[in-house]
Amino acid sequence: GAVVSQHPSWVICKSGTSVKIECRSLDFQATTMFWYRQFPKQSLMLMATSNEGSKATYEQGVEKDKFLINHASLTLSTLTVTSAHPEDSSFYICSAPGGAEGLFFGEGSRLTVL
Amino acid sequence: GDSVTQMEGPVTLSEEAFLTINCTYTATGYPSLFWYVQYPGEGLQLLLKATKADDKGSNKGFEATYRKETTSFHLEKGSVQVSDSAVYFCALIHSGGYQKVTFGTGTKLQVIP
Repeated sequence: GAVVSQHPSWVICKSGTSVKIECRSLDFQATTMFWYRQFPKQSLMLMATSNEGSKATYEQGVEKDKFLINHASLTLSTLTVTSAHPEDSSFYICSAPGGAEGLFFGEGSRLTVL
Repeated sequence: GDSVTQMEGPVTLSEEAFLTINCTYTATGYPSLFWYVQYPGEGLQLLLKATKADDKGSNKGFEATYRKETTSFHLEKGSVQVSDSAVYFCALIHSGGYQKVTFGTGTKLQVIP
């Protein structure tokens, strides 16, 4: 079946640095991808909708200058956490529409900012 | 707005026990209902779904029935295994599109031998 893959699966970085997370659709084209943030013991929070060839749509309260999203091709969307701080530490998950299955999810990327 | 409420976990069961994870929802219209499972260190995977009232979704021994009268979509399994240990998310996808996915908070299931 369709697969969405994320990389890296976990990353540790120093405060103030930037981190890029990739989300790829492996056997299908995704004109739209979604980025979520998952806090411990909480549900997934939609951060933004990534649109191929156009600007991402951010949810209210999400800083677009901190969480840069690029969807340069039909199989790749990237999330860059700029000038990361410890409060940005979280589990980030991407997904793509999967027709009748709802959504296909990536494996998730755990970011730890020291 | 739409909302999904799941029972709090963690739920700890012995192997071969019966499992119920409650899920109720609030939504306008006729949403589709989903259960996703997240195994440790992995992303979410679709477990089962139901698109209209009285539909029963089933997969890997798990079942859930879309009950519009009680606005519920409880997940059940007759005999759990250690390999079922994971976090289970109930979700609602509205006719507004995938941007309108509403997730429950997730319920962690631990199955002990």
